[in-house]
Amino acid sequence: EIVLTQSPATLSLSPGARATLSCRASQSVSSSLAWYQQKPGQAPRLLIYDASNRATGIPGRFSGSGSGTDFTLTISSLEPEDFAVYYCQQRSNWPYSFGQGTKLEIK
Amino acid sequence: QVQLVQSGAEVKKPGSSVKVSCKASGGTFSSYVFSWVRQAPGQGLEWMGGIIPVFDTANYIQKFQGRLTMTTDESTSTAYMELSSLRSEDTAVYYCARDGLDGSGSYYALDYWGQGTLVTVSS
Repeated sequence: EIVLTQSPATLSLSPGARATLSCRASQSVSSSLAWYQQKPGQAPRLLIYDASNRATGIPGRFSGSGSGTDFTLTISSLEPEDFAVYYCQQRSNWPYSFGQGTKLEIK
Repeated sequence: QVQLVQSGAEVKKPGSSVKVSCKASGGTFSSYVFSWVRQAPGQGLEWMGGIIPVFDTANYIQKFQGRLTMTTDESTSTAYMELSSLRSEDTAVYYCARDGLDGSGSYYALDYWGQGTLVTVSS
């Protein structure tokens, strides 16, 4: 099973700042990686698929990059509604494991 | 607009079973994979497995083998997840989610999610 490790566990930033979240896979997943955002009491929402493609309706400030084992989710300028937990998920090898999440909190 | 609507919260005794439903609307049902993901209180997401209605084929992760059954009813566009021999560690919110299909026919990510169903296992 592929293990995804997200870092940092918690990221404290101010609105307007740039956020960089990392996801590292225990073996190559090519570009088969997705990012989700989850707010308290809500279901996760798809942000990015295939490492760098924004899902429908996702603002341009969200971008994804990487391939192989190292991936990054970047939020260019944080809006108040962006403070949430972010998960990566690999879609390369079954089972389609999730990372443990990064909590993005307001500084 | 695709919507996945799940059944309501459940409270179950240890050793019993729970069956959660997920009714899809607004899109084609049969060709998509429907996955189930659970989230224990204060914890991260755990992918449990998925089922493709058109093939009636389900795959489960190893830890749930023998306890988990996923089914679908194409006539009502509903997916079901049944977990048996419940224990306290199964207390979680259970989500159904649809695997999106891209233009080349590949499944790429969980693009639509149900609202979640809280299952509480307690004596």
